[in-house]
Amino acid sequence: GDSVTQMEGPVTLSEEAFLTINCTYTATGYPSLFWYVQYPGEGLQLLLKATKADDKGSNKGFEATYRKETTSFHLEKGSVQVSDSAVYFCALTGGGSQGNLIFGKGTKLSVKP
Amino acid sequence: DAGVIQSPRHEVTEMGQEVTLRCKPISGHNSLFWYRQTMMRGLELLIYFNNNVPIDDSGMPEDRFSAKMPNASFSTLKIQPSEPRDSAVYFCASRLGPGTSGAHEQFFGPGTRLTVL
Repeated sequence: GDSVTQMEGPVTLSEEAFLTINCTYTATGYPSLFWYVQYPGEGLQLLLKATKADDKGSNKGFEATYRKETTSFHLEKGSVQVSDSAVYFCALTGGGSQGNLIFGKGTKLSVKP
Repeated sequence: DAGVIQSPRHEVTEMGQEVTLRCKPISGHNSLFWYRQTMMRGLELLIYFNNNVPIDDSGMPEDRFSAKMPNASFSTLKIQPSEPRDSAVYFCASRLGPGTSGAHEQFFGPGTRLTVL
């Protein structure tokens, strides 16, 4: 079945460091890909998305490019802030998931001042 | 819009007691999801509804769990009897119905943190 694999955390960075969180997927058909973010004590919220190959999703300085050839959707940010500390979830829908979101296990990011 | 509303935000109960979690989806959304989040298992889909009808409950762990959606603006998740291993954060999410342009984005509530002693 469809699945998402994320790099295991936690990831600890200093403020203004470069961030990469790896995400790869397995899916039938042509899924849409997402990054959700969960701040402490809150529910998940959509950070960015891409619906077809080579699309780049971006929001709040975060970017991810849908790479069909490598089945990847890595999340990047050039300069992280303390306020970016959260858990990040890669997810897919479509393909074989019948329109429902399939989530990765999440990667916890801690940014130190 | 107030977003997805869940209540209670925190629930502490004793093993064997009945627990009812409540969710009010965003007005106009036709699909509703219940998830459970734990450190060990991550985020698990328990059940989802389209137009108040349960579509897939294969994620419901066992018969002690039940979910209802009596109308478009309210859903409950009930655990009876509760056990310590049910301790988790339970999220409700809603989205526009399948086939719509915004169908992929799910909007999550703040969650209910359940502790079963």
